[in-house]
Amino acid sequence: QKEVEQDPGPLSVPEGAIVSLNCTYSNSAFQYFMWYRQYSRKGPELLMYTYSSGNKEDGRFTAQVDKSSKYISLFIRDSQPSDSATYLCAMGNSGGYQKVTFGTGTKLQVIP
Amino acid sequence: NAGVMQNPRHLVRRRGQEARLRCSPMKGHSHVYWYRQLPEEGLKFMVYLQKENIIDESGMPKERFSAEFPKEGPSILRIQQVVRGDSAAYFCASSPYQGRTGELFFGEGSRLTVL
Repeated sequence: QKEVEQDPGPLSVPEGAIVSLNCTYSNSAFQYFMWYRQYSRKGPELLMYTYSSGNKEDGRFTAQVDKSSKYISLFIRDSQPSDSATYLCAMGNSGGYQKVTFGTGTKLQVIP
Repeated sequence: NAGVMQNPRHLVRRRGQEARLRCSPMKGHSHVYWYRQLPEEGLKFMVYLQKENIIDESGMPKERFSAEFPKEGPSILRIQQVVRGDSAAYFCASSPYQGRTGELFFGEGSRLTVL
């Protein structure tokens, strides 16, 4: 079993739709939860960062973490064609150093 | 403020040749990470380095792969005697000494093709 599981998609939605992206994980030591966005032929960039359980909102993006279920989500409201990218969930342990474990990524396409 | 710089962006090698990938971290960043990305497999951790030290190389194949981050100059990921299975995108990321855990700043990657 992989430490982090993510549906690879692809996911295709019409412009303006609400998008839900999800990851599950098995390592209880993960404390930091992130979503990275990767445009085609580019490097990933940090989109959302949360520590432990709870919600975090930033504009059209909301990240949710449920540590009891080992489940994290990213919601995108009013999706735009510019949101078309691959979204990677990522997780890290507390203490030690910043080793980050990534999901396989979900490819999202927003159709105008 | 320049971001993480990787070169070359594209590299073509024949089987058995050597590949050298370079990474200059963001200014002020002392931590460097190398990841490999294959289609449908996400980013796989390879190695974590600080200046002149390898901290964790648990994700790097034991043979043919090596990495360094010298006191002066960029970090180098070296692949000797490349095979077709080494074809992938190799991403370098950096972070500051006291940044948020897990916040990595990525370069645009080096795409290696082995013929």
